[in-house]
Amino acid sequence: AQKVTQAQTEISVVEKEDVTLDCVYETRDTTYYLFWYKQPPSGELVFLIRRNSFDEQNEISGRYSWNFQKSTSSFNFTITASQVVDSAVYFCALSLNNAGNMLTFGGGTRLMVKP
Amino acid sequence: EAGVAQSPRYKIIEKRQSVAFWCNPISGHATLYWYQQILGQGPKLLIQFQNNGVVDDSQLPKDRFSAERLKGVDSTLKIQPAKLEDSAVYLCASSLGGNRGYGYTFGSGTRLTVV
Repeated sequence: AQKVTQAQTEISVVEKEDVTLDCVYETRDTTYYLFWYKQPPSGELVFLIRRNSFDEQNEISGRYSWNFQKSTSSFNFTITASQVVDSAVYFCALSLNNAGNMLTFGGGTRLMVKP
Repeated sequence: EAGVAQSPRYKIIEKRQSVAFWCNPISGHATLYWYQQILGQGPKLLIQFQNNGVVDDSQLPKDRFSAERLKGVDSTLKIQPAKLEDSAVYLCASSLGGNRGYGYTFGSGTRLTVV
């Protein structure tokens, strides 16, 4: 069975600091997809990124970047120059390449960015 | 494009009462999911529909929870009778489906409090 672990339950940083959120996953499948979602206080889950298991190229989108390493089963998320608006709970999730396609979520990391 | 609509937004009931939640997915999305998110945890899948058929309900407490998706569009999730531990946010999500790791669009959720 698949599993996603986010060891950091809560992180607090001061605005403009860089912060990395860790995600480690477990699966025996060779084809899978990894996701990051942001959950602001309003409660809605906002899609940030999807990567497939065959694409280990790191990705950058503005202040956000993702580091995918199959060798360590990790898919870490870095926010550069954090802002107060980045304060939220961030979830890493895993989906297998089957008809079910369900998401397995980690426990989430609460990020607090202080001014 | 309209998002995933859910209602009600909040619900407070006493234990042993019944409650129902409604979800309208994005038009054209064949797959619909209900997730339960207990405070401080990541969302957990309750049930997945493909059109109007159930794909996975292995984690649905069938003695008290039921769900249906009539005509492959709207869906309702019911709890009868509710227990205190059912207090959670119930998230509905939809996707194009299939096994290509498509991302999901989540609704804002229904926050249920059982007292």
